[in-house]
Amino acid sequence: GENVEQHPSTLSVQEGDSAVIKCTYSDSASNYFPWYKQELGKGPQLIIDIRSNVGEKKDQRIAVTLNKTAKHFSLHITETQPEDSAVYFCAASHNNNDMRFGAGTRLTVKP
Amino acid sequence: EPEVTQTPSHQVTQMGQEVILRCVPISNHLYFYWYRQILGQKVEFLVSFYNNEISEKSEIFDDQFSVERPDGSNFTLKIRSTKLEDSAMYFCASRQGVNYGYTFGSGTRLTVV
Repeated sequence: GENVEQHPSTLSVQEGDSAVIKCTYSDSASNYFPWYKQELGKGPQLIIDIRSNVGEKKDQRIAVTLNKTAKHFSLHITETQPEDSAVYFCAASHNNNDMRFGAGTRLTVKP
Repeated sequence: EPEVTQTPSHQVTQMGQEVILRCVPISNHLYFYWYRQILGQKVEFLVSFYNNEISEKSEIFDDQFSVERPDGSNFTLKIRSTKLEDSAMYFCASRQGVNYGYTFGSGTRLTVV
């Protein structure tokens, strides 16, 4: 089955700096790669996703890149704000196969 | 915006007791999931459900677990005889189709004592 690795496990940045979180996956058939943000006491919330026919996707301060050959994808957050502080999870799935999550990255943005 | 609703938000149960965790997925969604998250750890897949049957389950989802969609709106996870290590947040999720993202509920915190 799919195995998703995520790094780093914790990340601390100054407000205004960029943050990058990286994930690798094992199943070359995976074709859908979402990123979730989890705030304390809440369920994961989808923030951005990318499909395997696209190499990069951007939504305001958030971007995701995908390298299918290397089987890795990354989340980039620019101009970080304290409210970006949360745990971020990457995930991978292939159509009807069910989504597998990375271990999570706890991002802290210091004001 | 439509939500996935989970009840209760927190349940405390004694070891060996049965618990039922309840979820109301978004009404036009067709695929339903249960995930769990032990405190401070990753979100782990338990089971997926489509067309009134289990489509996939993980090694965690052993004979103590079962799922049911008893009517057109509820999706339940039952743990027959709870163990201490079942203590975790349990998240229900649903999606409209294979090309759509998952919507997660806020979770049920299960504490087994």
